[in-house]
Amino acid sequence: QPVLTQSSSASASLGSSVKLTCTLSSGHSGYVIAWHQQQPGQAPRYLMKLEGSGRYNKGSGVPDRFSGSSSGADRHLTISNLQSDDESNYYCETWDSKTRVFGGGTKLTVL
Amino acid sequence: EVQLLESGGGLVQPGGSLRLSCSASGFTFSSYAMGWVRQAPGKGLEWVSTISFTDGSTYYADSVKGRFTISRDNSKNTQSLQMNSLRAEDTAVYYCAKYTTVTNYWGQGTLVTVSS
Repeated sequence: QPVLTQSSSASASLGSSVKLTCTLSSGHSGYVIAWHQQQPGQAPRYLMKLEGSGRYNKGSGVPDRFSGSSSGADRHLTISNLQSDDESNYYCETWDSKTRVFGGGTKLTVL
Repeated sequence: EVQLLESGGGLVQPGGSLRLSCSASGFTFSSYAMGWVRQAPGKGLEWVSTISFTDGSTYYADSVKGRFTISRDNSKNTQSLQMNSLRAEDTAVYYCAKYTTVTNYWGQGTLVTVSS
């Protein structure tokens, strides 16, 4: 089954942009993933589905500041014009025929 | 508007049982796979189980296989998770999840604490 690898933490300044990365394991580089945001003390929120081609489809109400891109086995989430409430944990998710897999999550700090 | 509302969490002793339920609204429940994802205190997300909408096939994480049972009632727009032989490491917030291919909606979660 696929494995998803994320950096444990990232930081960027208010108003700047940040690019988070989720890397698919060997043999799974073509998989579609999803990105989820979890603000402190809240349930996760679906952000987008991201294909290996770089095409992405965002969930309802997700701001234009959130975008996705892909390069090989890497799936990226870019947040532009960072706001204070973007400070959250971000998880990637994928699936195969019988299981679902989450990355370990990246804690984003907005400076 | 899609809504997923979990219930049934609480404190249970090791070896005990608990049944979680998720009431769904705002979409055609019978047309979507559903499932459960948990999050232990201070930890990341862990997939627990999925039930398909086509034939009711069920899938489980190795950590819960043989102890947990997922089910759905399309007439009541609900899914359930029967949890038996609970262990301390099952302590977590359990989220109800709606799937297309990915998880595209989450409930607010219900806390399960396994402790003596």
